[in-house]
Amino acid sequence: QKEVEQNSGPLSVPEGAIASLNCTYSDRGSQSFFWYRQYSGKSPELIMSIYSNGDKEDGRFTAQLNKASQYVSLLIRDSQPSDSATYLCAVRGGTDKLIFGTGTRLQVFP
Amino acid sequence: DTGVSQDPRHKITKRGQNVTFRCDPISEHNRLYWYRQTLGQGPEFLTYFQNEAQLEKSRLLSDRFSAERPKGSFSTLEIQRTEQGDSAMYLCASSFSADTEAFFGQGTRLTVV
Repeated sequence: QKEVEQNSGPLSVPEGAIASLNCTYSDRGSQSFFWYRQYSGKSPELIMSIYSNGDKEDGRFTAQLNKASQYVSLLIRDSQPSDSATYLCAVRGGTDKLIFGTGTRLQVFP
Repeated sequence: DTGVSQDPRHKITKRGQNVTFRCDPISEHNRLYWYRQTLGQGPEFLTYFQNEAQLEKSRLLSDRFSAERPKGSFSTLEIQRTEQGDSAMYLCASSFSADTEAFFGQGTRLTVV
């Protein structure tokens, strides 16, 4: 089992729709969770962090965390073509190092 | 405001040569991470530092790879006797502490020919 798992996609959504990206992790001791956006050929850019169970909203982005289910998600409301990118889930586990999933490629079509 | 800086941005080297990359973290960030990323994959953990101490090195990492952070500020990643399989994007990230957000530099793209 991989430490952090994501569906590689692509996830295709129409402009204006809600995109839902999911991530599961294996280390129950994990305390910090992050979502990064990565455009092709560029480095990852931090968009959300979440540390406690529940929802955290920032503009069009909402991160959701459920530690009991070892599940973290990212919702993007009113998706725009400029949101088309790979979204990386990252988890900081008991050893303090940041572990990434393989990423989900999101495509928003007009 | 200066973010994480990596140098060089691109490096082309012949197989068997040694290469060294530099990372300058955000000022006052104690944690510094190195990752490697190949096409279609997420960043793969290589090693990380708390100040000048190297806390962990990936078990998957060959002995040809070494990293230093001599004064707890910038870090270098050296690859000796490069192989074609070393071709990848090498990413550096830093964070203020163990449980805060990490920010990436622009990366160094290595091509071994």
